[in-house]
Amino acid sequence: DVVMTQSPLSLPVTLGQPASISCRSSQSLLYSDGDTYLNWFHQRPGQSPRRLIYNVSNRDSGVPDRFSGSGSGTDFTLKISRVEAEDVGVYYCMQGTHWPLTFGGGTKVEIK
Amino acid sequence: EMQLLESGGGLVQPGGSLRLSCAASGFTFRSHAMSWVRLAPGKGLEWVSSISGSGGNTYYADSVKGRFTISRDNSKDTLYLQMNSLRGDDTAIYYCAKGFPLRVAGFDYWGQGTLVTVSS
Repeated sequence: DVVMTQSPLSLPVTLGQPASISCRSSQSLLYSDGDTYLNWFHQRPGQSPRRLIYNVSNRDSGVPDRFSGSGSGTDFTLKISRVEAEDVGVYYCMQGTHWPLTFGGGTKVEIK
Repeated sequence: EMQLLESGGGLVQPGGSLRLSCAASGFTFRSHAMSWVRLAPGKGLEWVSSISGSGGNTYYADSVKGRFTISRDNSKDTLYLQMNSLRGDDTAIYYCAKGFPLRVAGFDYWGQGTLVTVSS
């Protein structure tokens, strides 16, 4: 199975400051069709997960433009340009290129 | 508005069984694959099982294969997960999610989850 490794595990951030989460895969996520199936999800405390980004950098409808995804091959990054209070929670990357689907262990974002 | 509403969770003894349901609304259910994903205490998200829109193809994580059965009733817009031979490490919140994002986009909508606790 493809192992997804996120860092850091915990990320204390200051409101209004940028934040960055890394996700690395044990195999390249570039598929033969030219797409890279790397997704980012956000789960607030007590809520269900919400997809933020699909195919590395495509933001879902309604997701603020302070969120951006980038990367290729095995190295991916989720960036928040200016953290707001509603951004707390756990962020997960997930690969959909290889069977079976696998998630990263999560990064917990909290406000300092 | 698209909605997914899970039910059927609860407390069950090790070795017991439980059936989860997920009622869908707001989209053409039969046109979409559906999945179950779980979140165990202190752990991250884990994909559990998926089923094609017609129900003809099913997929399972190794951790549940042979014990869990996914199914759907497109006349009722409902997804199911029959869980047998339950173990302590099956304790988790179980979410249904729209889609099966293997080399396609998916998991764009999630239910609120239902808690399954396996304990004696």
